[in-house]
Amino acid sequence: EVQLVESGGGLVQPGGSLRLSCAASGFTFSDYWMSWVRQAPGKGLEWVANIKQDGSVIYYVDSVKGRFTVSRDNAKNSLYLQMNSLRAEDTAIYYCASTRRSENFDYWGQGTLVTVSS
Amino acid sequence: DVVMTQSPLSLPVTLGQPASISCRSSQSLLYSDGSTYLIWFQQRPGQSPRRLIYKVSNRDSGVPDRFSGSGSGTDFTLKISRVEAEDVGVYYCMQGTHWPWTFGQGTKVEIK
Repeated sequence: EVQLVESGGGLVQPGGSLRLSCAASGFTFSDYWMSWVRQAPGKGLEWVANIKQDGSVIYYVDSVKGRFTVSRDNAKNSLYLQMNSLRAEDTAIYYCASTRRSENFDYWGQGTLVTVSS
Repeated sequence: DVVMTQSPLSLPVTLGQPASISCRSSQSLLYSDGSTYLIWFQQRPGQSPRRLIYKVSNRDSGVPDRFSGSGSGTDFTLKISRVEAEDVGVYYCMQGTHWPWTFGQGTKVEIK
């Protein structure tokens, strides 16, 4: 059974940093692109970043470029999101996802809540 | 960025009746490989999003066949042939053709 479990969310002050983790199991992690998607409370979805299987290609949405860094450790079946210079508008549930656009493969974690507030 | 526009944003439906959600993109979603990466998600209250449809009309595993997707280019539709109580939630279209991948605003489906 495929499982994605996020952790690391919490309350942080504006300008602060936080590192999210996503532990993957039930599939060959190193074979798949991985993604982070976020959802502000009561709002819609925003696709934040994609990282290629070997980490050599990463895409970020403009709103997080230069502040967020995605990485992965295929030996640990883990995905990470380092978030720096956090702003109130970064407050959201952050989901880890593994998806293939052309195949019947799409899995999401339960999400971890990040709250940026003083 | 590609703007995805859904309508309606709120959809009250009678149980057993059909429902239809429209999604329009600000530019063509036809990718250079010949595929159109238009995706539909369902998000039930308090749950993570669940993909229903990929590449316009392909149902994911476990998705009931009352859900169907259609369209091309910039115009797409999600149809529910007979709405059931478990279909309550917010439905999002998303384009995976142009980075950044972008979502529509969401359509809230509720039972009348």
